[in-house]
Amino acid sequence: GESVGLHLPTLSVQEGDNSIINCAYSNSASDYFIWYKQESGKGPQFIIDIRSNMDKRQGQRVTVLLNKTVKHLSLQIAATQPGDSAVYFCAETPNDYKLSFGAGTTVTVRA
Amino acid sequence: KAGVTQTPRYLIKTRGQQVTLSCSPISGHRSVSWYQQTPGQGLQFLFEYFSETQRNKGNFPGRFSGRQFSNSRSEMNVSTLELGDSALYLCASSLNRQGAQDGYTFGSGTRLTVV
Repeated sequence: GESVGLHLPTLSVQEGDNSIINCAYSNSASDYFIWYKQESGKGPQFIIDIRSNMDKRQGQRVTVLLNKTVKHLSLQIAATQPGDSAVYFCAETPNDYKLSFGAGTTVTVRA
Repeated sequence: KAGVTQTPRYLIKTRGQQVTLSCSPISGHRSVSWYQQTPGQGLQFLFEYFSETQRNKGNFPGRFSGRQFSNSRSEMNVSTLELGDSALYLCASSLNRQGAQDGYTFGSGTRLTVV
C-alpha cells in the first residue's frame, strides 16, 4: 500500500491498495482528535475520532493511530476505493469550543 | 433527520458591501461554530456559540460577527467586504455544551465571492 512518513499535500494510490495519511498536531493539551473527509462541493464529513486515552481505534475500513509522544496522528484506509478520493483533514481540539485543522491531504485513487 | 443547512449556497458581493449568512443546525443541536475555508489558509475557526452566547472567537477582524438565536439557528455577518473574504464559509453543529468534544457535523457551506 501507499504510505507517507510525513504530511504530504497529495497522495496517489492504486485502487485496492491500503492508504496511510499522516498528520502532526500542535497542541499538547488537545485530547480529542477527528479525521474528516471533504469531497468537492461539500462540507467536511466525519470519518473517525479518537480520544487521547487511546492509541488506536478502528472503524469500517479505517483505522486511526495516535502517538502522543511525537504528537502524530495517522489514518489508514484499507482496500482504497474510487469513492475514497477526497481531501482528508485531521483536527484537534485545543479547547471545548473549536477545532484546529491540519492542512489536508488530497487522495487520488487510480483505477 | 435533516443535516446542517446553510443558506444561500452561493453568493456574489461587491467590495465594501456587507453580507449575512445563515445556518440551521441539526434539530436539537445547541452548539454552532463557523469556519472559513480558503485554498491558502485552509480551515480557520471564526466563532462558536452555545445557548445564544459566543464562547470563543478566532483571529478575525471585527468586520466578522455572528449571533445565535433562541432556536439555535445562527447567522454570521461580514461588513465592508474585501476581496480576501472570498471563501467557503462552513457552519457546524454539535449536540451538547462540550461542542468540539462531542464532534461537529458540518453543512455544505456558503461560497462567497467578492468582486
